Amino acid sequence: SQQGEEDPQALSIQEGENATMNCSYKTSINNLQWYRQNSGRGLVHLILIRSNEREKHSGRLRVTLDTSKKSSSLLITASRAADTASYFCATDEHPGGGNKLTFGTGTQLKVEL
Amino acid sequence: SAVISQKPSRDICQRGTSLTIQCQVDSQVTMMFWYRQQPGQSLTLIATANQGSEATYESGFVIDKFPISRPNLTFSTLTVSNMSPEDSSIYLCSVDGLAGALRTNQETQYFGPGTRLLVL
Repeated sequence: SQQGEEDPQALSIQEGENATMNCSYKTSINNLQWYRQNSGRGLVHLILIRSNEREKHSGRLRVTLDTSKKSSSLLITASRAADTASYFCATDEHPGGGNKLTFGTGTQLKVEL
Repeated sequence: SAVISQKPSRDICQRGTSLTIQCQVDSQVTMMFWYRQQPGQSLTLIATANQGSEATYESGFVIDKFPISRPNLTFSTLTVSNMSPEDSSIYLCSVDGLAGALRTNQETQYFGPGTRLLVL
């Protein structure tokens, strides 16, 4: 399966600023999920948005989904140094995804004090 | 959410040898998956571990190289066989958190902490 694209590949911001990451994918989907990975460790699930949803919030996270453009964005507001990590989007393809995830290329976020 | 552990957390192996990675979940789950993350790269799905039957492999991955076992609903192993330096990666298992009739196609996936493998 083809990986999705994320941009930017790397993002450096100051603490307190907002960070926006974008994800594009190639197929129809059941859902799209965002994950965080700290320093090559396991992935932490952040948020899942279903194909019939357009926007979802969780704490300082806001995710949008535009299925007509096959794209999603993750906004982290009031960023903190602890948000420094790699962020990946992942899609569950429709039909037949079977909950297998196709991951994007990832965005490396660095939040500086 | 499911709690997932993996063993070993890391290993350094010689080329030509094999390593078996274990994935243990604290609850019964239907779907278990194995992913590979090569250095500086994103995750790529290796296979879906099916309970009581052979694993389903993705394009580019074969059973002889990555044999998988799934003896029950809480446990799976992935073996990396006849290793070469190109197999140096992080290997992660994941589950979708629910077993049986409660599953839909809208499940959050939970990942283990990963096994960091270096092949010399």
